[in-house]
Amino acid sequence: AQSVTQLGSHVSVSEGALVLLRCNYSSSVPPYLFWYVQYPNQGLQLLLKYTTGATLVKGINGFEAEFKKSETSFHLTKPSAHMSDAAEYFCAVSSYGGSQGNLIFGKGTKLSVKP
Amino acid sequence: DAMVIQNPRYQVTQFGKPVTLSCSQTLNHNVMYWYQQKSSQAPKLLFHYYDKDFNNEADTPDNFQSRRPNTSFCFLDIRSPGLGDAAMYLCATSRVRGNTGELFFGEGSRLTVL
Repeated sequence: AQSVTQLGSHVSVSEGALVLLRCNYSSSVPPYLFWYVQYPNQGLQLLLKYTTGATLVKGINGFEAEFKKSETSFHLTKPSAHMSDAAEYFCAVSSYGGSQGNLIFGKGTKLSVKP
Repeated sequence: DAMVIQNPRYQVTQFGKPVTLSCSQTLNHNVMYWYQQKSSQAPKLLFHYYDKDFNNEADTPDNFQSRRPNTSFCFLDIRSPGLGDAAMYLCATSRVRGNTGELFFGEGSRLTVL
């Protein structure tokens, strides 16, 4: 069985500060890992994904995440927060080669950015 | 270019009055999903279609039904909405061949039940 744990339901940072959103996963098979962002009253937009290969993946809007198998983690970072980054972020896992791509989502982390 | 389009974006209905939400896609993906997302919660999968093959999640209430008349369209029918069904409903698609599990989401339909 697969699961995702996001540490911290709410993270607040100052504009220009480092953003770190934590995600740990559990999977009995090699996972595909994703970060999605959701702005108020909108759907989910893919930020980045890890499938195979390079463990440091870069996404849109300056975000990146590093897959660490030994720590079963896939934390999301951005060096300098911008006001427009305020949103809810969901980490998700999918089983390797899953033909129907059923994602298991974490509970989400709401990011606030203070001026 | 919008690829997964949901209508309406906002729907208000009365307790017990049936409602239908629609989803269309231009990606030609085989799989279409319906998720329910309540306030400050993760999306919860209700069901999905693999082509015409319907797959219901075990804990999806009977009040929720779905139709997929063709590859491009999928509908969510709520037969008798209760107050607890107020939520954002998200449609998503994925491809099968070369799938990495990525889902493509629409912007959602927010349902209010009075």
